[in-house]
Formats: sequence, structure tokens, C-alpha cells
Amino acid sequence: DAKTTQPPSMDCAEGRAANLPCNHSTISGNEYVYWYRQIHSQGPQYIIHGLKNNETNEMASLIITEDRKSSTLILPHATLRDTAVYYCIVRDYGGSQGNLIFGKGTKLSVKP
Amino acid sequence: ETGVTQTPRHLVMGMTNKKSLKCEQHLGHNAMYWYKQSAKKPLELMFVYNFKEQTENNSVPSRFSPECPNSSHLFLHLHTLQPEDSALYLCASSQDHGGPGELFFGEGSRLTVL
Repeated sequence: DAKTTQPPSMDCAEGRAANLPCNHSTISGNEYVYWYRQIHSQGPQYIIHGLKNNETNEMASLIITEDRKSSTLILPHATLRDTAVYYCIVRDYGGSQGNLIFGKGTKLSVKP
Repeated sequence: ETGVTQTPRHLVMGMTNKKSLKCEQHLGHNAMYWYKQSAKKPLELMFVYNFKEQTENNSVPSRFSPECPNSSHLFLHLHTLQPEDSALYLCASSQDHGGPGELFFGEGSRLTVL
């Protein structure tokens, strides 16, 4: 079972920041937080991951709370092409612990 | 283009047919995966291969038979399927199973069983 809780859907205006929350209150010390997204009928795409510190790359920023029980993915300037289902996944490394187990994710709709 | 190619993209088959899905990765990865995504359900991990050896089978019915002849190719052989097996089948690869590297997914093969 997925170890994360995400809102089923969110809307965002084009050009504004999209902030997608994720709750992972049972995360263990060795588990990383990963974010993937899936645009309609395509394969999931890796976005970003982190352990404790906030992370930023060309796609997004990841903010992890100090207690690591929740995180937020930020798309700074959402475009229509960012409309997708966003998955927050916690995973450890090593064998089966490193499997990506997907939940239902958050369906983000970016509107003009 | 993710470096993971799946064929065919669409497949329609009867319950008595035998067909195969093919996945090829050009990333030099050692681990490959099959996932199933049924309508309105989360992706389900089916099989994991690491260095050509199957390391996981998540209680998948025997009518699905995977094959990994080398680290670059992965097949899913389909036989005597049921209509409820209609789904999007996704292949992915990563540097190693369970390692820190992300998974790269193909575009998927959409299967319809009549």
C-alpha cells in the first residue's frame, strides 16, 4: 500500500505557482520522498526527490518539513502542459524496499 | 523520449490469443519492471528483473509470463487473458533495482481483451 496521502484533485491558474501537498506521517528515517507525474495516457515522469533538505531542479522545488511528516511540491509557474496526475512516493533503497509503489496521486488541472 | 521504447502501443486480442508486449531500453540500465494500470486504479507493480534475473513477482497470474533475455529487453507474454486484464501496461528501467536512481518509463502498451 502507498504510504502517502494526497488530495485527489487541485486547480491552478496558468502562470501561478502550483503547490501540491503530501502527507507521509509514517515515513522512516531512511526513506526518501519522490515525486513523479503522469500526463494523460503516458508513462510516469520523474520530477524530483529528497531526504531532509529542500531540493530544487529545473522542473520544481520540493519542500520537506523538519519532522519529515509532510512535503510540498512547487511548480513555480504552472503551464497548461503541467496538467497531470502527480504522485508523491516514499521509498527506501535496497531490493524490494526500493520499489516505487504508486498511490492515487493528485490530479492537477492548470486552467487558462 | 525517455530511452524506454514499448511496442506495440495498442493491442486488441481475444481471450484465446497469444501475444507479446516488448520493451527495450537504451539507457544501459540493469533493472527492468512491468507495471499494470487499470482504469481509475493506481499503477501496480507486476514483475522486477535485475541483471536479467527475476527478483519479484507480485502474485501475478500465470497467464502473464515475463521474459528478460538481456538487460536491454523485456517481454510480457500474454495467453488466455480475461477482459479484466484490459489495461495500460508500462515498462520501466533503472540503473539498479532498489538503488537511488529514478525509474524511466516507456509510453505504455494499451491492451484490450475482447
